[in-house]
Order: sequence, then structure tokens, then C-alpha cells
Amino acid sequence: QKEVEQNSGPLSVPEGAIASLNCTYSDRVSQSFFWYRQYSGKSPELIMSIYSNGDKEDGRFTAQLNKASQYVSLLIRDSQPSDSATYLCAVDKADYKYIFGTGTRLKVLA
Amino acid sequence: EPEVTQTPSHQVTQMGQEVILRCVPISNHLYFYWYRQILGQKVEFLVSFYNNEISEKSEIFDDQFSVERPDGSNFTLKIRSTKLEDSAMYFCASRPNINQPQHFGDGTRLSIL
Repeated sequence: QKEVEQNSGPLSVPEGAIASLNCTYSDRVSQSFFWYRQYSGKSPELIMSIYSNGDKEDGRFTAQLNKASQYVSLLIRDSQPSDSATYLCAVDKADYKYIFGTGTRLKVLA
Repeated sequence: EPEVTQTPSHQVTQMGQEVILRCVPISNHLYFYWYRQILGQKVEFLVSFYNNEISEKSEIFDDQFSVERPDGSNFTLKIRSTKLEDSAMYFCASRPNINQPQHFGDGTRLSIL
């Protein structure tokens, strides 16, 4: 079982729609979770961090965490073409290194 | 806003040669990391560094690799006897403490010929 799993996509949504990105993780000890956006050939850019169960909203982005189900998600409202990128789920393990998923490629269609 | 800076942006090296990738973490950060991303693959952890010593390393980080903080600002990754499969993007990251997210530099694209 992979430590952090994401659907590689591509996930295609029309402009203005909600994009829903999902991530599951295997290590129950994990306490901190992050979403990074990565444009092709560029470095990961932090979008959201979430540490406790429930929802966390920041502008058009909402992160959701369910530790019992070992599931974390990212919702992007009013999706824009500029949101087209690969979204990386990162899990902060107890020894304080990140484990990344393979990323989900999002395409927002104008 | 402070940034993690990496140099060079692109390094081309002959197989078998040694290469040093350089990073300047954000000034008040105490935890430093190297990751690599082979083209089309996921970002992989290499090593973490705190208090002037390695705190964790992955299976990838074998004797070919070493890290150093030679002064108060630089954090370097040395790769000896480079192989074709070392070709990848190498990212440096830092954070002020373990409760904060890591901030990534723009990366160094390493091409081994």
C-alpha cells in the first residue's frame, strides 16, 4: 500500500465549477497535512495546511481532514484556468519529513 | 516575502563527476530538507537536517550523497560519482520549526550526460 495515494487524473472541470481533489494516507500517526500546487517545471507552492479534523477555508480553497478515515481533500471553488496545475498532497510523518503523493493533474477548461 | 534560494537553476554534468547543489534557506528557519523529483514522478524525500546534523535520511540518500551547512546561511547537497539516474529536479526546503509548513526553493535541474 502506498503511503500517500492520489488519483493522477487529469481531472477536468469547466471554468467556474468546483474542483474536488482527494488524498488518502496509510500512517495513522501522521498529524499534519498539506496541499501544494505545482506548475510544470516549477517547485511546489503551499496552498493549504490542515492539522485537525474538519474543514479549513482560505479564499476559494477548502481543505477537509478526516483522520478516522485517513482522508484529506481539497476543494477549489470558482475554478479558473490559472488553477490548472498538479496538486500534491503531502503528509508530515512523525519523524518530520514529508511524504508526497503522486499528485493530481487539474485542468480547468475555459 | 523571504524565499528559499537555490543555485544553479540548471546544472549539466558528465557522468562520474561530482556536483554540489546550493541552497540558502530562509534566515530564521532551523529545519532544512532536500527532495528530488525525477521527471514525471513524485517528489521524494532525501534528507532532513537540524542542529548541524542529519536527522533523517531516505534509502535514496546513500554514501554517494552528503549534506553540509558550511556557514550560517548555505545548505549544500553534494553528489559524488554522478550516474545517469541522478538526473532530476532537486528541491531544497526549510521551515522555522516542526509545526510550520516547509517552504520550497525553485529547484535545481540536474542533467547527467
